[in-house]
Amino acid sequence: GDSVTQMEGPVTLSEEAFLTINCTYTATGYPSLFWYVQYPGEGLQLLLKATKADDKGSNKGFEATYRKETTSFHLEKGSVQVSDSAVYFCALSETSYDKVIFGPGTSLSVIP
Amino acid sequence: DSGVTQTPKHLITATGQRVTLRCSPRSGDLSVYWYQQSLDQGLQFLIQYYNGEERAKGNILERFSAQQFPDLHSELNLSSLELGDSALYFCASSVGGGESYEQYFGPGTRLTVT
Repeated sequence: GDSVTQMEGPVTLSEEAFLTINCTYTATGYPSLFWYVQYPGEGLQLLLKATKADDKGSNKGFEATYRKETTSFHLEKGSVQVSDSAVYFCALSETSYDKVIFGPGTSLSVIP
Repeated sequence: DSGVTQTPKHLITATGQRVTLRCSPRSGDLSVYWYQQSLDQGLQFLIQYYNGEERAKGNILERFSAQQFPDLHSELNLSSLELGDSALYFCASSVGGGESYEQYFGPGTRLTVT
């Protein structure tokens, strides 16, 4: 079945460091890919998405490119801030139905 | 604010009891999803409803059931509660239909079973 794998955390970075969180997926079709973020004490929020190969999703300085050849959707940010401390979830959804499959989440802590 | 509301915010109950969690989706969204988030299991998809009908089932226990009402709000019923059912329960909604739409999550209900 479909699945999403993320790099294990926790990840700790200094402010203004470069961030990469790796995400790879397994799917039978051509899914849409998402990154969700969960700030402490809150629900998940959609951060960005990409619906087809080579699409780049971007939001709030975060970017991720849909790479079909490597089945990957790595999240990047050039300069992280303390306010980016959160748990990040990579997810996919097949186009034929709505169910979203989430990865295990990667906890990010950014220290001043 | 995602537009998805969940009540109650916190719930503390004893083993063996039954509770009902409520979710109101965003205005116009037809699909409602329920998730359980715990430290050891991560985020687990439980069940999805679309316009009142069950659409997809995930790792939902037989002791759990859900429904979506004509006004599109949804309730998740958890019965014969066990200590291991303590978790955050999230509801999410989306426009729904045959394409893949992003989901909008509510703030969650924290259930503690003692």
